[in-house]
Amino acid sequence: DTAVSQTPKYLVTQMGNDKSIKCEQNLGHDTMYWYKQDSKKFLKIMFSYNNKELIINETVPNRFSPKSPDKAHLNLHINSLELGDSAVYFCASSRWGQPSSYNEQFFGPGTRLTVL
Amino acid sequence: ELKVEQNPLFLSMQEGKNYTIYCNYSTTSDRLYWYRQDPGKSLESLFVLLSNGAVKQEGRLMASLDTKARLSTLHITAAVHDLSATYFCAGPAGGTSYGKLTFGQGTILTVHP
Repeated sequence: DTAVSQTPKYLVTQMGNDKSIKCEQNLGHDTMYWYKQDSKKFLKIMFSYNNKELIINETVPNRFSPKSPDKAHLNLHINSLELGDSAVYFCASSRWGQPSSYNEQFFGPGTRLTVL
Repeated sequence: ELKVEQNPLFLSMQEGKNYTIYCNYSTTSDRLYWYRQDPGKSLESLFVLLSNGAVKQEGRLMASLDTKARLSTLHITAAVHDLSATYFCAGPAGGTSYGKLTFGQGTILTVHP
């Protein structure tokens, strides 16, 4: 009965490769997010989708492209991987709107990406 | 845009002692979140504080929110080893904008016997 799941959990790849991370939530939420956590544990939002519509698009290289086929899924595709992309990527989900308590975000287990 | 600063960033405590983690934020915010992260694990939601003066308690942890001072605190009472983790506070990036959370740097808590 996992709430937010991600695959794969670990991803080791060479520079220049293209890879994807998948995320699924079964909480009935309508908003999903991608966060990046660097080696110093700093968390920064990358993207957010609400009802399959992109609503947050931070300053992220174009090599990163999110896709949301439906409200329960949010994938992240990364082209031409670079060393600096090595990090842990977390997916999260929440409800959207009022009351404010709806916006509590629930996180997936993370995908540790290592670029060699 | 909201900036969130936690202190201390590292906290080494003895079991049985009390301590407080502080979370200051830069602009008006109508809510504040606390998360816990164990090494190599996901973020677990601890508290959602939705109004000025809000106080929530769960076991040995108590969180409070003072929106006028732009300050939230996470108080640890009689620490035990199981509380060792990284604790993050976060607020909506635009103060009230939905969805986009800005996180503090995290406080790495280590509880020693």
